[in-house]
Amino acid sequence: QQQVKQSPQSLIVQKGGIPIINCAYENTAFDYFPWYQQFPGKGPALLIAIRPDVSEKKEGRFTISFNKSAKQFSLHIMDSQPGDSATYFCAASKGAQKLVFGQGTRLTINP
Amino acid sequence: DAGITQSPRHKVTETGTPVTLRCHQTENHRYMYWYRQDPGHGLRLIHYSYGVKDTDKGEVSDGYSVSRSKTEDFLLTLESATSSQTSVYFCAISEPGQPNTEAFFGQGTRLTVV
Repeated sequence: QQQVKQSPQSLIVQKGGIPIINCAYENTAFDYFPWYQQFPGKGPALLIAIRPDVSEKKEGRFTISFNKSAKQFSLHIMDSQPGDSATYFCAASKGAQKLVFGQGTRLTINP
Repeated sequence: DAGITQSPRHKVTETGTPVTLRCHQTENHRYMYWYRQDPGHGLRLIHYSYGVKDTDKGEVSDGYSVSRSKTEDFLLTLESATSSQTSVYFCAISEPGQPNTEAFFGQGTRLTVV
């Protein structure tokens, strides 16, 4: 049972565009929603995270939008750059432990 | 980078042999996790530990066992390796109770079972 569903599986965007990656979760007990970025041959690294008491969080060019009633959250990357090309994972958990991950999105930013 | 070391980084083993992967941390974090990463599945939790000698199963624990005899070391054992266990394995650590707690991941171990 996939508790966190992520889409799209892959995404190609031109430099300067705004890629959007979406996730939906099922467990209403989840209270921590991070996004991880992974480069080839490396482990995932935390990019940005949100808790359900806010609807949006920005850190630099990265924004999480959160819709509690729809049980959905998304990642937006403003002014995307070729260096943002990576695999992105959404995740969810209760109490920030035992993360449940989405399937991942391979993002390519073309110059 | 968080002080997490996984060993070995790459391993090829034969079906039916036991394999042990090691995760070593220098952060003194209480929680340690083993995930496997497969295309189309993201990362799936195998086992986790919330303290020395305290472990529990994750989503895909069949065929795996773990041990944690010291805070800094978390071992993952494939009792009898199968081709379906070919994967990239990641160790992660976290410390609960902090305002901005996050899970830090190691560099991964690529395991091939032939």
